[in-house]
Amino acid sequence: DAGVIQSPRHEVTEMGQEVTLRCKPISGHNSLFWYRQTMMRGLELLIYFNNNVPIDDSGMPEDRFSAKMPNASFSTLKIQPSEPRDSAVYFCASSLGSGLYGYTFGSGTRLTVV
Amino acid sequence: KNEVEQSPQNLTAQEGEFITINCSYSVGISALHWLQQHPGGGIVSLFMLSSGKKKHGRLIATINIQEKHSSLHITASHPRDSAVYICEENTGNQFYFGTGTSLTVIP
Repeated sequence: DAGVIQSPRHEVTEMGQEVTLRCKPISGHNSLFWYRQTMMRGLELLIYFNNNVPIDDSGMPEDRFSAKMPNASFSTLKIQPSEPRDSAVYFCASSLGSGLYGYTFGSGTRLTVV
Repeated sequence: KNEVEQSPQNLTAQEGEFITINCSYSVGISALHWLQQHPGGGIVSLFMLSSGKKKHGRLIATINIQEKHSSLHITASHPRDSAVYICEENTGNQFYFGTGTSLTVIP
C-alpha cells in the first residue's frame, strides 16, 4: 500500500487565489481527517469524514475553507480566497473507525500564501 | 473547554537514558493517541490506547483513566528518537491535541 497520498507537496500562491489540496486515503479506511499545523497553534483538526460524510467541521476556521469527499478514495480541501495567515502545513490522515485504531498520515502539503 | 497538557515542553537527554513524557486531559476519552513528528515534518501514529499499557520495541505507553493521565516512555533512548511527541485525546467525536514535547537525544 502506498499509504496516504497528498498533493501537491508544496504550494505557493498569491493572496486571493483559490487553493485546492488533495488527499487519497488508504484503501479500506473509512475515516479521513484534515489537519493544519502552524508554529503558533500547533496541530489542529479541521474536519473529519466517516464513510465519506463530514462528521465534525467545527475546526474549519471560516467560510473560506471547504472540504469534500466525493468518494471513499479522494478528498479535497479548498481555500477560496486564500490569505497569508493560511500559510501552514496541511496534513491528511486516514483510519478505520474514527481513529480509535490509530491513523496513517500523509506527508503533508506545505502552503505558502504571499 | 477541554485541555490537553503535555510536560515537559522540551527535553534533552543523553543517549541511553530512560525518558518519560506526560499527558493530562480533562474530559472523558474514548482513546488517547500518541504521535511522533520527525524533524523532517512527517507524522507517525505510535499508540492508540484506552486502558492499561501498550509496548512497541523501546516505546511504552500507559494510561490511567481515573487520573486522566497518560505517559509515553522510551527506554535506552537513541538520537533517532529525537522528535516532537504529541498526545491527542479522542472523545469519539471530538479531538484535542497537546502542544507537543520536543525531545533531543544527544549521542
